[in-house]
Amino acid sequence: GAGVSQSPRYKVAKRGQDVALRCDPISGHVSLFWYQQALGQGPEFLTYFQNEAQLDKSGLPSDRFFAERPEGSVSTLKIQRTQQEDSAVYLCASSLGLAGGGQETQYFGPGTRLLVL
Amino acid sequence: GDSVTQMEGPVTLSEEAFLTINCTYTATGYPSLFWYVQYPGEGLQLLLKATKADDKGSNKGFEATYRKETTSFHLEKGSVQVSDSAVYFCALRKQGGSEKLVFGKGMKLTVNP
Repeated sequence: GAGVSQSPRYKVAKRGQDVALRCDPISGHVSLFWYQQALGQGPEFLTYFQNEAQLDKSGLPSDRFFAERPEGSVSTLKIQRTQQEDSAVYLCASSLGLAGGGQETQYFGPGTRLLVL
Repeated sequence: GDSVTQMEGPVTLSEEAFLTINCTYTATGYPSLFWYVQYPGEGLQLLLKATKADDKGSNKGFEATYRKETTSFHLEKGSVQVSDSAVYFCALRKQGGSEKLVFGKGMKLTVNP
């Protein structure tokens, strides 16, 4: 597709359930980012990949959060034992990254809205 | 740590009014600065950017100038339209490192006809 896609768009989980959120970046984009956006707040950085390498995971709030990008394209953000405070919109973004010489524009997907009951 | 502070809304304006959304930042070095916009029901889109001091970013009638002396990147538009109704986010990106974006809290703008 032409843009970043994410699935599912909406997810309702019971507290304690594990969830997996998928991101399909723009084809050829080297860099991939995950952000968490709480209601009424700006997005906050979670983690960053360059191809399949996870170069920065400093924003992951706890060890219940795990992200992977095994083939350097599609990425999955997994949240184990979900808690109510995990309720937020999870945004994925991609950029050309090194493929474009660095300092490239990040293109955002529509997000996955997660509600934990 | 690095941070962005922006004017909080919500703000309601009439069509053709002048718009200013203030944004200041705290960061070491020379970050790149951005304005992103989120229209109702859509994802975040880059509106404009500036990568060094005194640069002016512009797009769709919006402008913002990178002012290092005041650590600011205020967004302006001379005459807003109903279609400008959206949430506006100011953001910075440090040179090097992971190139993550640091966002402000966002400001919701509603423009009435």
